[in-house]
Amino acid sequence: SQTIHQWPATLVQPVGSPLSLECTVEGTSNPNLYWYRQAAGRGLQLLFYSVGIGQISSEVPQNLSASRPQDRQFILSSKKLLLSDSGFYLCAWAKGGARIRNTEAFFGQGTRLTVV
Amino acid sequence: KNEVEQSPQNLTAQEGEFITINCSYSVGISALHWLQQHPGGGIVSLFMLSSGKKKHGRLIATINIQEKHSSLHITASHPRDSAVYICAVSNTGNQFYFGTGTSLTVIP
Repeated sequence: SQTIHQWPATLVQPVGSPLSLECTVEGTSNPNLYWYRQAAGRGLQLLFYSVGIGQISSEVPQNLSASRPQDRQFILSSKKLLLSDSGFYLCAWAKGGARIRNTEAFFGQGTRLTVV
Repeated sequence: KNEVEQSPQNLTAQEGEFITINCSYSVGISALHWLQQHPGGGIVSLFMLSSGKKKHGRLIATINIQEKHSSLHITASHPRDSAVYICAVSNTGNQFYFGTGTSLTVIP
């Protein structure tokens, strides 16, 4: 069966410090991978998605970047955190491939980031 | 305007009540998803549907493609159903759009 791991679960970082959140998927290959942010009282906002190694699409301009060094590894990073980067970050995967339709999305447990 | 709109935003019900959460969308979709997010933050997929109706235990999801509308029903609600319920749609490119969620509290 497929599983998704995301860590850490909580993180408190000072303004200006770097960030690295990691997400790995097991039990599937060539997944579509997603990073979402959920700000307090708001819905999920897509930050980045990737359809393959080294292929990253950004949905909104921001202080964050993403990388996919391996097929089932997705990393969310920042060189210098801002207060506004605080929020709940979720990694998700869905079956990839141009001919794949109607697939479910599977979510990690999330990382609650507080920038102080 | 968001691609996916949910109502109500907040819902409080007495245990045993029948609950309905509504979702409307404005984009072309391949599938509609109902997700459940518990207080700890983890999200679980409840349903994925592209037509008709699906049932799982006390949960029922329906979709009307022509009206671009879906409903999630919970029969005989229980306090453990308390969570945020999120409607999402996905397109043929497997891109997802999410509603802002409905926060449900079921009181014993």
